[in-house]
Amino acid sequence: AQKVTQAQTEISVVEKEDVTLDCVYETRDTTYYLFWYKQPPSGELVFLIRRNSFDEQNEISGRYSWNFQKSTSSFNFTITASQVVDSAVYFCALTPLSSGSARQLTFGSGTQLTVLP
Amino acid sequence: DVKVTQSSRYLVKRTGEKVFLECVQDMDHENMFWYRQDPGLGLRLIYFSYDVKMKEKGDIPEGYSVSREKKERFSLILESASTNQTSMYLCASSLSVRGYTFGSGTRLTVV
Repeated sequence: AQKVTQAQTEISVVEKEDVTLDCVYETRDTTYYLFWYKQPPSGELVFLIRRNSFDEQNEISGRYSWNFQKSTSSFNFTITASQVVDSAVYFCALTPLSSGSARQLTFGSGTQLTVLP
Repeated sequence: DVKVTQSSRYLVKRTGEKVFLECVQDMDHENMFWYRQDPGLGLRLIYFSYDVKMKEKGDIPEGYSVSREKKERFSLILESASTNQTSMYLCASSLSVRGYTFGSGTRLTVV
């Protein structure tokens, strides 16, 4: 079984501050994908990034960056110079590749990020 | 652009009613999923389907059933709605584990 933990329930920052959202996962599978999704108030989950377990390179996309550390089973997400439009619930998720239930995503409980003007 | 459409954005039903939540995707995806989202619990998988007429239970299938008669449509059925099924329901589809597309959700209130 898989487990994804997002210990931060709510985070509040002032615009232009940097913020890091934590994600820790547990899986017995040696191959898996990790994801981050954003859920704005409209409700639809928006895909942000997918990382496979073979690739531990950090990734940067504009103001977003991700730090994947297999040794600590963590996949943290940093927003640099946050903006009000970044306010949303952010979910970390995992799917294993080697088991029979490889198609389903296991989600963390989400982190509500509020960016104040 | 890839699309997953959930028929209702908001729904209010009475206890004991039979409730159908519909989800349609236009991407010819094999896999479809129903998740339930509750505060502090994230998204939990109710049922998923990897082919027409095929279904598998997720983590919380009790009180729910599903139907997939056509590839593009995946229905979630609450046989006898109860107040503890008040929640946000999200449908998703995928071709492989590499990518999932979610609908906008149906916020169901059972009174």
